[in-house]
Amino acid sequence: DAGVTQSPTHLIKTRGQHVTLRCSPISGHKSVSWYQQVLGQGPQFIFQYYEKEERGRGNFPDRFSARQFPNYSSELNVNALLLGDSALYLCASSLDPTDEQFFGPGTRLTVL
Amino acid sequence: AQSVTQPDIHITVSEGASLELRCNYSYGATPYLFWYVQSPGQGLQLLLKYFSGDTLVQGIKGFEAEFKRSQSSFNLRKPSVHWSDAAEYFCAVEDTDKLIFGTGTRLQVFP
Repeated sequence: DAGVTQSPTHLIKTRGQHVTLRCSPISGHKSVSWYQQVLGQGPQFIFQYYEKEERGRGNFPDRFSARQFPNYSSELNVNALLLGDSALYLCASSLDPTDEQFFGPGTRLTVL
Repeated sequence: AQSVTQPDIHITVSEGASLELRCNYSYGATPYLFWYVQSPGQGLQLLLKYFSGDTLVQGIKGFEAEFKRSQSSFNLRKPSVHWSDAAEYFCAVEDTDKLIFGTGTRLQVFP
């Protein structure tokens, strides 16, 4: 069975640009969470979606937004990119919000 | 606020030596605790988890962890380290369906 997949693998953007990251959960999983991992730090929670509804949001500015589609895949959008947004963005899926989370390989975003 | 502390940023051990990675948590109720491993450029792989019951938890790859409520600790152990265990290790606590991670411990293994 395929695990959590994320695209693209790597991305380079410049300050002020917009970026969209994509995540496909494990088949049958209805909950998707997004985490940001800055170099040398542990992952930090950004969003959780379940059944297309936002269930939780971390301490991130409104430049960060996300959505979940009817097939339970998800997009993370970041507007007006800053240098500090450079990080590994991890997506995790689970059957439901209370269940074990399975992580994808991440998208490495570099903002120049 | 809930938090996780991993006091050791970097640990170096010889192959075959025993290993203990420290984790302390701050959480008001009974915690759900996790250990994840991350190889360079990779996502996170779950090693083991504690929800309730036996305080000594067995995981994959020969790892185990012990929950000690009195010390607010959940230390990860392995009796004999292999070179392939070199990676970053993260301890996490679950808080309202989201994971709160520590800053990680980088494990280096010498032959």
